[in-house]
Amino acid sequence: GENVEQHPSTLSVQEGDSAVIKCTYSDSASNYFPWYKQELGKRPQLIIDIRSNVGEKKDQRIAVTLNKTAKHFSLHITETQPEDSAVYFCAASRGGSNYKLTFGKGTLLTVNP
Amino acid sequence: EADIYQTPRYLVIGTGKKITLECSQTMGHDKMYWYQQDPGMELHLIHYSYGVNSTEKGDLSSESTVSRIRTEHFPLTLESARPSHTSQYLCASRGDGSSYNEQFFGPGTRLTVL
Repeated sequence: GENVEQHPSTLSVQEGDSAVIKCTYSDSASNYFPWYKQELGKRPQLIIDIRSNVGEKKDQRIAVTLNKTAKHFSLHITETQPEDSAVYFCAASRGGSNYKLTFGKGTLLTVNP
Repeated sequence: EADIYQTPRYLVIGTGKKITLECSQTMGHDKMYWYQQDPGMELHLIHYSYGVNSTEKGDLSSESTVSRIRTEHFPLTLESARPSHTSQYLCASRGDGSSYNEQFFGPGTRLTVL
C-alpha cells in the first residue's frame, strides 16, 4: 500500500518568513495530493490540493509543488502570519473515489510574532 | 447547512462501559471514515465504509466496531472501554463521482476512559 513520509515534524519560523513542508510517497499510481490544516482544537480542513497532471498550484500565500519522477510534493507558505500556526498534514491517493487517502504524520508549524 | 456532526464532543467514562460515538453527515456522501488521532497528531484510519451495508477495517487495528445502515449515519461502538482507548476520534466523509473529491472531517469526539 501507499506510504507517505512528512518532514519536518515541527517547524518554527518568524512572522513574515517562509515555511516549507515536504512529503514523499511510495505508490507511483497516486495522482491526488491534498494538504490539510488543523488548528488547535479544530477539525482538519483542506487548504490546497494538486493533481498529478500539474506541477505547481498557488492560492494567495500558499503553493504546492509536485515532482512525480521523484515522488515528492511540498507545501510552501510565504509571508507567514501567527494564524498560520497549526498542524499541517499531507496526503496521497490513487484515482477513483474508492481509494483511501494516506496521510503523513503531520507537521506542527509555529509562527512567532 | 451541509456538514458532518459528531456527538458527544467530549466523553469521560469508566473502564468496562459500552459506548457509541455518533457520526452523521448531511452532505450526501457515500464514503465515510473513522480516524483515531493520538496526542502526537498522527491520523490513524480505523474503519471505513463505501456505502450502506459496507464496512472495512482500516490500517490501525481497533477493538471498536462500526455499522452503516443508513447513508448518512456511521456510528462507532466500543463494547468495553479501556484506558488505552483514550483518544480523539474523527469522522470524515467523501463524495463520489470524482477521483479528486474533497474529504471533509467532523469536529471530533474526545474520549477519556478512566
